Amino acid sequence: SAVISQKPSRDICQRGTSLTIQCQVDSQVTMMFWYRQQPGQSLTLIATANQGSEATYESGFVIDKFPISRPNLTFSTLTVSNMSPEDSSIYLCSVRRSGRGGNEQFFGPGTRLTVL
Amino acid sequence: TQLLEQSPQFLSIQEGENLTVYCNSSSVFSSLQWYRQEPGEGPVLLVTVVTGGEVKKLKRLTFQFGDARKDSSLHITAAQTGDTGLYLCAGGSNFGNEKLTFGTGTRLTIIP
Repeated sequence: SAVISQKPSRDICQRGTSLTIQCQVDSQVTMMFWYRQQPGQSLTLIATANQGSEATYESGFVIDKFPISRPNLTFSTLTVSNMSPEDSSIYLCSVRRSGRGGNEQFFGPGTRLTVL
Repeated sequence: TQLLEQSPQFLSIQEGENLTVYCNSSSVFSSLQWYRQEPGEGPVLLVTVVTGGEVKKLKRLTFQFGDARKDSSLHITAAQTGDTGLYLCAGGSNFGNEKLTFGTGTRLTIIP
């Protein structure tokens, strides 16, 4: 498995501000991902954080709104920019590792964001 | 677009009963993972199945991957209150950089 920590665990923010979420992994991983989970819903992939290059965004998500950094193989940040109440959600960092059964994906505890 | 539909969406049963959650798709996946998520936490990986027809048991939980690798089921025997949570299936590639496709989720509540 992988030990993944996220900071902050939760925050309440004002409309129009930005929040940066940090993700730290206990060992080096090639693939890191950022997901969004709206209340009571499943997970939606925002982007793949690529080490040393620009993140790869999914349809409906853009770099200006969700800039991502990946300075090394154990750390990444996701910024939620110019927030609106619709951005209220849980943001989850995830990593992929190869296990006995092939690729397995593990998640951090999430950051619960409320935008007023 | 690959879709994974889970059923039921919500399930509320008494402690001690048995239940089955289904995960269905029209697409073939080379691996399928099941997660449980409790309030305020991230999803926790329960199992990965990779072979069509594979059955894996984890204490009271039995996971099955369909022969055609398009569907999966999770059966819980003698449910306990600690089983309460959001169950998510996710299909993906056994190897390589293919992204996981998450199911729609099943919210399970076990009543004491």
